[in-house]
Amino acid sequence: GAVVSQHPSWVICKSGTSVKIECRSLDFQATTMFWYRQFPKQSLMLMATSNEGSKATYEQGVEKDKFLINHASLTLSTLTVTSAHPEDSSFYICSRTGGGGETQYFGPGTRLLVL
Amino acid sequence: GNSVTQMEGPVTLSEEAFLTINCTYTATGYPSLFWYVQYPGEGLQLLLKATKADDKGSNKGFEATYRKETTSFHLEKGSVQVSDSAVYFCALRSGQGAQKLVFGQGTRLTINP
Repeated sequence: GAVVSQHPSWVICKSGTSVKIECRSLDFQATTMFWYRQFPKQSLMLMATSNEGSKATYEQGVEKDKFLINHASLTLSTLTVTSAHPEDSSFYICSRTGGGGETQYFGPGTRLLVL
Repeated sequence: GNSVTQMEGPVTLSEEAFLTINCTYTATGYPSLFWYVQYPGEGLQLLLKATKADDKGSNKGFEATYRKETTSFHLEKGSVQVSDSAVYFCALRSGQGAQKLVFGQGTRLTINP
């Protein structure tokens, strides 16, 4: 069964509003989780590494004030897209590593459409 | 920097055909290599992996061999099934990084009965 869940699975919002996406590790206390973005017919691009109890580490070119990440517990990381615009429309995917750190387990993704 | 290049899709085959999806990489050091699969409506799942040169990863009839001399990790299956229809991603994890994965662009595979 699934080991990582995301909520919501899809969301439509108006331009200028903020959207929060939740990522839950269902069977493992994850100190580190990852957020990816996937454009149509393109690869997954790592946006940031979410660290429990500390600040997230953002990849180059990702606006940290635009994409707020909170990892308040060992089973939950949230991504908030602030003041969303149509160009933020995308598929957002989270993941966590396994106990040994080698394998990543992915959530089913959240499709965001900003009108 | 690290990068992964996959053959462009989509790929359409008939059931029982032989499958090859090419993957080459650029990386510093000695990366671990992965193939992930994304079935319709589901999250990415690890299909197979190899952590050092000449290692062969295998799962569900799929195989891939870590070729350091050609910096490749091509995915193969001798006889595909309709249930193999999915998007396949090649990825690497650099030994220097923490646990970050770098993905190829994905290859959509459709198997017709």
